[in-house]
Order: sequence, then structure tokens, then C-alpha cells
Amino acid sequence: NFMLTQPHSVSESPGKTVTISCTGSSGSIAANYVQWYQQRPGSAPTTVIYEDNQRPSGVPDRFSGSIDSSSNSASLTISGLKTEDEADYYCHSFDTSNWVFGGGTKLTVL
Amino acid sequence: EVQLVESGGGLVQPGGSLRLSCAASGFTFSSYDMHWVRQATGKGLEWVSGIGTAGDTYYPGSVKGRFTISREDAKNLLYLQMNSLRAGDSAVYYCARRVRGGYFLDYWGQGTLVTVSS
Repeated sequence: NFMLTQPHSVSESPGKTVTISCTGSSGSIAANYVQWYQQRPGSAPTTVIYEDNQRPSGVPDRFSGSIDSSSNSASLTISGLKTEDEADYYCHSFDTSNWVFGGGTKLTVL
Repeated sequence: EVQLVESGGGLVQPGGSLRLSCAASGFTFSSYDMHWVRQATGKGLEWVSGIGTAGDTYYPGSVKGRFTISREDAKNLLYLQMNSLRAGDSAVYYCARRVRGGYFLDYWGQGTLVTVSS
């Protein structure tokens, strides 16, 4: 079964830049679009990146997404970190007709 | 304003059944694929099922044969019938709308809690 692996947690200081990785277990992660969802405690997820590197309206350009085929991974980069960015982040992609989420990464901004 | 409101969660014994509902408003429900995603307490997101506008359905292996997703477009309702429930099915269940022509879930409900325990 296709799986997406994320680091359990990352931390960084306000104003800095952080990158969260999402590695595909098999095949090519570039074969299907990757999305990133942000989930704050007690709230439903919201999309911050879709189709690898697109931002929905309202998401600041501090958020960016990319694909690295050589490592079969996707990345979410958040620059100019703010305390409000502290949340869980999940990558998401597809395997045939299955939707697959990564295990999530807890971002701490301290 | 797009709204998705789940209901039907609660406490159920192992082996029991439960039907979740999701009431949609603020958009043309029949024109969108819909999904259920769950999240166990303190755990990550897990896709549970999806249904297309034509009624085509999709499930992961973990729930296939036990869960059934359906929709009632005339009433703007999405359902999830859950049978043979196990402790591992305990979670908050979210309904979510798939963006038209795209590959992400653009609106989510606030979720309904299902607890499977004796």
C-alpha cells in the first residue's frame, strides 16, 4: 500500500523558515498531485497548498510547496514564521482510487 | 456560505452499527464529489470513503465491506453507514467537499465523534 511519511515534529523560531517533508513509499510522488492541510487544535483541516504548489486564495505567499522527484518527496516551506502557523500539517496524495494522508507533522513556533 | 454539518455520532458497542449524516448548504450539492475523513483522538487524518456525482464510491481496505457511503441529492445529504464497528473505528468523522475539477478538499465540517466501546 502506498504511504506518505512525514517527520513527527519540527520546531523553529518566529521569522525563520521551516520545511516539512513528505516522502512517498513507492512509485513516483510526482505522478499524482500533492496537497498540504493545516489543522489547528480543535479545528477542521484547511488547505494551504494544492496540486503540488498552488495556494488557495487567502493563504499567504509565505507558504509554498514543491516536489523533488530524486527523493520521491514533497515539501511544504513556510517562511517568515509566525506564532499563528503553529499547527499540525498533513500531506495528501493518491494511489489509484485511494486517497492517502501522511501521518502529520506538528509544527512548533517558539 | 458553504456549510457542512455532521450528525449521528455517539457511543456504540463493538459489532454495532451507526449511520452518520452530513447536511450540506450554500452550494449545489449534486455537482460535487464528497468524502468522509476520520481522525482518532491525538492521531492523524485517515480517508474513509468518497462518492462521485454519479454515485460511484471508493473505500480504503480498512473499511471496505463494512462502511457504505451514499448521497441524497434532493435533500443535500451525505451519509456514512458503518457496520461491524471496532474499537479502532473510534474517531471524529469529518465530511468534506472535493473541489470541482481539482484534487483537494476545500470545505470540511466540524466533525462528529464516534466511540466504539463496551
